Amino acid sequence: DAKTTQPTSMDCAEGRAANLPCNHSTISGNEYVYWYRQIHSQGPQYIIHGLKNNETNEMASLIITEDRKSSTLILPHATLRDTAVYYCIVRVDEYGNKLVFGAGTILRVKS
Amino acid sequence: KAGVTQTPRYLIKTRGQQVTLSCSPISGHRSVSWYQQTPGQGLQFLFEYFSETQRNKGNFPGRFSGRQFSNSRSEMNVSTLELGDSALYLCASALISNTEAFFGQGTRLTVV
Repeated sequence: DAKTTQPTSMDCAEGRAANLPCNHSTISGNEYVYWYRQIHSQGPQYIIHGLKNNETNEMASLIITEDRKSSTLILPHATLRDTAVYYCIVRVDEYGNKLVFGAGTILRVKS
Repeated sequence: KAGVTQTPRYLIKTRGQQVTLSCSPISGHRSVSWYQQTPGQGLQFLFEYFSETQRNKGNFPGRFSGRQFSNSRSEMNVSTLELGDSALYLCASALISNTEAFFGQGTRLTVV
């Protein structure tokens, strides 16, 4: 699985959009980008995933660059409950459900 | 729809003992994966089961084992517990083996 690089931490004002970047410059053509988050002491929560097109669901949007070497997770209107560690994971779906977690980004939403 | 259920939520064991953790996946899900989370190593993959067969295995010693039953429920076992096995053990289920996984709340194991 390709390695990802994320900032260690980020701050965001409540009500503003939170944009979390992820670099995955060694991503292969058949590898998907997945985002999970983990709120303190809870199990990770699935957010969104994509291959090459931008994706949107009720939680967030995922923007993947055309060369697929980086992506951005967008939380459109961050709330205090969005404070969590956000993990960007690259994986090949044919290989089952093995997720390789990095250190992630600590997002702090402040009022 | 009920989520992934892990039991027990908290457990305290003594060094040298063994422990069994249980995971009930979301109804209809056939893939179950296990992870260990510690402050030092973060979230690490242990193994994945699909249709009662182990499909993937992480880099953990043989003291860590698991199994999956015909109803997709899974158990993991850790034998000869060490202090370093103290961790949050997380289970995740997925509909099939290559779709998004949903995690349970975990079992917090403390080895004393």
